[in-house]
Amino acid sequence: GEDVEQSLFLSVREGDSSVINCTYTDSSSTYLYWYKQEPGAGLQLLTYIFSNMDMKQDQRLTVLLNKKDKHLSLRIADTQTGDSAIYFCAPAVSGGYNKLIFGAGTRLAVHP
Amino acid sequence: EAGVVQSPRYKIIEKKQPVAFWCNPISGHNTLYWYLQNLGQGPELLIRYENEEAVDDSQLPKDRFSAERLKGVDSTLKIQPAELGDSAVYLCASSLGVAGRPEELFFGEGSRLTVL
Repeated sequence: GEDVEQSLFLSVREGDSSVINCTYTDSSSTYLYWYKQEPGAGLQLLTYIFSNMDMKQDQRLTVLLNKKDKHLSLRIADTQTGDSAIYFCAPAVSGGYNKLIFGAGTRLAVHP
Repeated sequence: EAGVVQSPRYKIIEKKQPVAFWCNPISGHNTLYWYLQNLGQGPELLIRYENEEAVDDSQLPKDRFSAERLKGVDSTLKIQPAELGDSAVYLCASSLGVAGRPEELFFGEGSRLTVL
């Protein structure tokens, strides 16, 4: 089955860029998603990229996809304290419907 | 518009006791999911419904877990009997369920279960 790996923790200074990395194993993933979870809350969709794209930009967010290496990254420009949360990489594996396989999440801590 | 509503938010029970969680999805969302989230881990799918039909329950431990979605709206997830290892957050999510399109899942705040 699909295996999704993320680094567990990232600490950045306010105003800097954050880069959260993810590797996955299923090359048939059609859509690859990033979800955000704030303390005590459910997950919230941040952005996604289709597998035939290399890059997608959405305001402060940039998603890069390297299909050959099965590597996905999320860059947050001008990181703010409100960006402190856990970020989950979730490729959708094919097979009848798009089933999301979540990584363990990367906890982003933003400090002044 | 209300989001996905789950109850209870917190539940503490002793092992071998039963427990039930309830979920009310976003109005009009045909697809409903129950996920299990252990501490420090990502959500793992337990069961997926399309309307009232369970279309993927391959990861639901059927010896002690059961779920239902009567009338294709609200859903309940039951554990009987609960074990210590069931302590986790149980997340409900819903989506429009349009095949072949990127699908946004809307999550509830979760029900945190502690089994003593």
